[in-house]
Amino acid sequence: GAVVSQHPSWVICKSGTSVKIECRSLDFQATTMFWYRQFPKQSLMLMATSNEGSKATYEQGVEKDKFLINHASLTLSTLTVTSAHPEDSSFYICSAKAFTNTGELFFGEGSRLTVL
Amino acid sequence: QKEVEQNSGPLSVPEGAIASLNCTYSDRGSQSFFWYRQYSGKSPELIMSIYSNGDKEDGRFTAQLNKASQYVSLLIRDSQPSDSATYLCAVNAGGTSYGKLTFGQGTILTVHP
Repeated sequence: GAVVSQHPSWVICKSGTSVKIECRSLDFQATTMFWYRQFPKQSLMLMATSNEGSKATYEQGVEKDKFLINHASLTLSTLTVTSAHPEDSSFYICSAKAFTNTGELFFGEGSRLTVL
Repeated sequence: QKEVEQNSGPLSVPEGAIASLNCTYSDRGSQSFFWYRQYSGKSPELIMSIYSNGDKEDGRFTAQLNKASQYVSLLIRDSQPSDSATYLCAVNAGGTSYGKLTFGQGTILTVHP
């Protein structure tokens, strides 16, 4: 159990375009999902907390108008990188908390974005 | 001061040896502690979680937590080449931030035959 699926696994786009990444919890319902970003040889940095049915909570320094998060159902959260630029190229990973009595997070496969 | 600190390594051990990975954290109120393994180009995989002081064993892995010292470690016994990866220590403060993890920078482990 506790499977989180992400799509696409990799995407290449031109500068100025928008890219949508989907995160699904396959065998459980996730009222809260988390979006992380990881640059090469660096650790994971939390970008935002995605809450089903309400606005996402963004970490300090993350532009909410650039990284649009939608959590329309208990099994799906989407991250849209708008007007992408080369500096947005990164590994984006979503995660979800499957069990209410622990803090364990289960991660999706990650989406590698390359902006040309 | 970083919230979660790890020695970035690389840590190199021979096959069959014990690998010891260490992590310290700054928030004394932290409640949950995790070790994730991340292979190059892949997302993190949870291998151990620990919530109370002492040792927790799972197969070849043992997690140790000392809240007074704000220290958590991971021991890998009988290390195998397939254990070569980056190991991430993650801490959750609990309370209203339940579920949000703060990660260390990771320790690169290399197990050589």
